[in-house]
Amino acid sequence: DGGITQSPKYLFRKEGQNVTLSCEQNLNHDAMYWYRQDPGQGLRLIYYSQIVNDFQKGDIAEGYSVSREKKESFPLTVTSAQKNPTAFYLCASIDSDTYEQYFGPGTRLTVT
Amino acid sequence: GNSVTQMEGPVTLSEEAFLTINCTYTATGYPSLFWYVQYPGEGLQLLLKATKADDKGSNKGFEATYRKETTSFHLEKGSVQVSDSAVYFCALKAGGTSYGKLTFGQGTILTVHP
Repeated sequence: DGGITQSPKYLFRKEGQNVTLSCEQNLNHDAMYWYRQDPGQGLRLIYYSQIVNDFQKGDIAEGYSVSREKKESFPLTVTSAQKNPTAFYLCASIDSDTYEQYFGPGTRLTVT
Repeated sequence: GNSVTQMEGPVTLSEEAFLTINCTYTATGYPSLFWYVQYPGEGLQLLLKATKADDKGSNKGFEATYRKETTSFHLEKGSVQVSDSAVYFCALKAGGTSYGKLTFGQGTILTVHP
């Protein structure tokens, strides 16, 4: 079955620690995205990547970093510089023919 | 800039009631419009889409019509079920802009009671 996997589903960290969220897809999609979801605010774009070894900042990139070394993988690092990191993080990829975005199940990060 | 505005939630209905969730947008060019659904604890799934004015998207009894004159894409269903309880997001992809980038509304929580 093709799809997007994110791990872990729940993640707990202490303030001041960097943490990396995993996102893997086997849909052979070129473009991948990271969104942050907060209650009542919809989804906000953090970073996106149109192709391997290339990525662009989204609307709320401060305090986050990404890499795209392989087509299948687009990990997101939440750094200690992110002032309010507790949120639900969603990874997505896009079908370049239909422009439909496919979402992973999400990772809920709690920082205390 | 591009923006999507959804009706305030939460929306609470009884089973078999009629559903409308309003969505209006602001965009340059000719956007494509989408409705996504998110069930508790999960990611988003595409519910339906429309790519040009007057197109009607439909799926699982839901439908929405792309109205360019009113810049709207309201979601409707004639008879909701308990299993429709979820969060619904309206989104747009503006024509000719960043590859595939979507702009989302804030989401509307729907709860359907038996």
